[in-house]
Amino acid sequence: EVQLVESGGGLVQPGGSLRLSCAASGFSFSTTWMHWVRQAPGEGLVCVSRIESDGRSTTYADSVKGRFTISRDNAKNTLFLHMNSLTAEDTAVYYCARDNHYSVDYWGQGTLVTVSS
Amino acid sequence: DVVMTQSPLSLPVTLGQPASISCRSSQSLVHSDGNTYLTWLQQRPGHSPRRLIYKVSNRDSGVPDRFSGSGSGTDFTLKISRVEAEDVGVYFCMQGTQWPNTFGQGTRLEIK
Repeated sequence: EVQLVESGGGLVQPGGSLRLSCAASGFSFSTTWMHWVRQAPGEGLVCVSRIESDGRSTTYADSVKGRFTISRDNAKNTLFLHMNSLTAEDTAVYYCARDNHYSVDYWGQGTLVTVSS
Repeated sequence: DVVMTQSPLSLPVTLGQPASISCRSSQSLVHSDGNTYLTWLQQRPGHSPRRLIYKVSNRDSGVPDRFSGSGSGTDFTLKISRVEAEDVGVYFCMQGTQWPNTFGQGTRLEIK
């Protein structure tokens, strides 16, 4: 069974940093592209970042470019999102999601990031 | 970025009646490999999104056959043949043809 479990969310002050993790199981993580998608309270879904299976190629939404870094540890089946210079606009539930050939099929339960003083 | 526009944004439906959601993209979603990467997702209240349909019309395993997807180019539709109580939630279309992948605003389905 495919499982994605996010952690690391919480309350952080504007300008602060946070690292999210996503523990993956039930599939071949090391051969799978992965995404981070966020959903602000009461809002829709926004793709934040994507990483290819070997971690060498990454892409970002313009809104987070230069502030967020996606990475992965294939030996530990774990996906990361390092977030710096956080603002109130980054407040959202962050989901990790499995890529399945230009689609996303499995989603984690999400972790809430709240940026507030 | 490709803009995905859904309609309606709110969809009250009587149990057992059909429902239809439209999704239009600002650019063709036909990829250079010839495939069209249009996905439909369901998000039940308090839950993560769940994929229902991929590549326009392919139903995921475990998805009831009352859900169907159709369309081409820039115009797509999700249909529910007979709405059941468990279908309440928000439905999103998503394009994977071009980065950044983008989503529609969501259509909230409720029971009348």
